[in-house]
Amino acid sequence: EAQVTQNPRYLITVTGKKLTVTCSQNMNHEYMSWYRQDPGLGLRQIYYSMNVEVTDKGDVPEGYKVSRKEKRNFPLILESPSPNQTSLYFCASSLHSGSRGNTEAFFGQGTRLTVV
Amino acid sequence: QKEVEQNSGPLSVPEGAIASLNCTYSDRGSQSFFWYRQYSGKSPELIMFIYSNGDKEDGRFTAQLNKASQYVSLLIRDSQPSDSATYLCAAHPTGGSSNTGKLIFGQGTTLQVKP
Repeated sequence: EAQVTQNPRYLITVTGKKLTVTCSQNMNHEYMSWYRQDPGLGLRQIYYSMNVEVTDKGDVPEGYKVSRKEKRNFPLILESPSPNQTSLYFCASSLHSGSRGNTEAFFGQGTRLTVV
Repeated sequence: QKEVEQNSGPLSVPEGAIASLNCTYSDRGSQSFFWYRQYSGKSPELIMFIYSNGDKEDGRFTAQLNKASQYVSLLIRDSQPSDSATYLCAAHPTGGSSNTGKLIFGQGTTLQVKP
């Protein structure tokens, strides 16, 4: 089954304690990205990766890091989480091509993060 | 800033009615548009995509695109309570992002279908 898998689904942590949210896709997609979703603000892109070892900042990258050592995995790292990073996070993957129609994003199940 | 705008709603329709969800976009060169449905606390799931002017139908759903007006809509016929969700409009922008999979999302419209 084609899917994007995120872990954990729920996480409560304390300010400053480093954490990693994992994301893995089995569709051989080149493009992967991380979004955060907050009430009234919609989905905002944090970081994206166009392929292995190719990553770049999205619209709200501050406080986050990513890596893309393998095509299927794209972890999101919060080196020193703060309360303003409390949010619902989604990983997504899609085909790299900009051709019409095949930039559909497949989303993971989401990770609800609370930083206290 | 390339933007996608949606009315946050809620849009309330009675069961069996047609629900009309609207979206405008600022990047005139955007080529592909997507409608996602998102239930509360769940991940977005793709309903339809459209890239040609006009209508595209899939079951009870019809997507409409008017590039001259920079307007995308989603019609849901015979609305059911199970259609109650937030609907996200997304555009594939041009320029530096045109060769990537980046999508620009609207804030979403909450639809409530009342039995």
